[in-house]
Amino acid sequence: GQNIDQPTEMTATEGAIVQINCTYQTSGFNGLFWYQQHAGEAPTFLSYNVLDGLEEKGRFSSFLSRSKGYSYLLLKELQMKDSASYLCAVRDHDQAGTALIFGKGTTLSVSS
Amino acid sequence: DAGVTQSPTHLIKTRGQQVTLRCSPISGHKSVSWYQQVLGQGPQFIFQYYEKEERGRGNFPDRFSARQFPNYSSELNVNALLLGDSALYLCASSSTGGHYEQFFGPGTRLTVL
Repeated sequence: GQNIDQPTEMTATEGAIVQINCTYQTSGFNGLFWYQQHAGEAPTFLSYNVLDGLEEKGRFSSFLSRSKGYSYLLLKELQMKDSASYLCAVRDHDQAGTALIFGKGTTLSVSS
Repeated sequence: DAGVTQSPTHLIKTRGQQVTLRCSPISGHKSVSWYQQVLGQGPQFIFQYYEKEERGRGNFPDRFSARQFPNYSSELNVNALLLGDSALYLCASSSTGGHYEQFFGPGTRLTVL
């Protein structure tokens, strides 16, 4: 079966660091994506991991361990505008083409 | 450059009716995928099309169908609408190189009464 788990909600303060975890069990694996989605808007691409290790992109970093079925998204120097839902998604090799299997999303609230 | 566009933005239908949603991918993108996002959940994969052929289908009933046109735009059709079909329908396009990351359109908010 396909299962992607991430926490439902997280809170943090401006300037802090937050780590959003994601665990996955899929029949195949061909890459893991993180998307940000503000309320009422479309998801926007944040990061992509296909090999084990850390990918850094400005204030955002993403880590992958394929053997553990685990990823995290690290957000540094949090800003109010980072309040959004963060979606973990796996490209399942068994699904043709580029279809993504999404988790339910983690709603992050950043306060001042 | 224009992103993925979808129409209409919002739609209200009644149970039993049929609906057609439209999507235009980013210029140069040949792959289009459709997702359903119910409030408070992540997007669920419905269909993927590449070069006008269906390349993948999620766990949705036959009431859902789609097609892709020679200009790579796409339509999603839903027949015999149910209350549970109320959701945000997202279209995403991707290129055939690189990470194949999907770029999402703004979505169509469908309400079934």
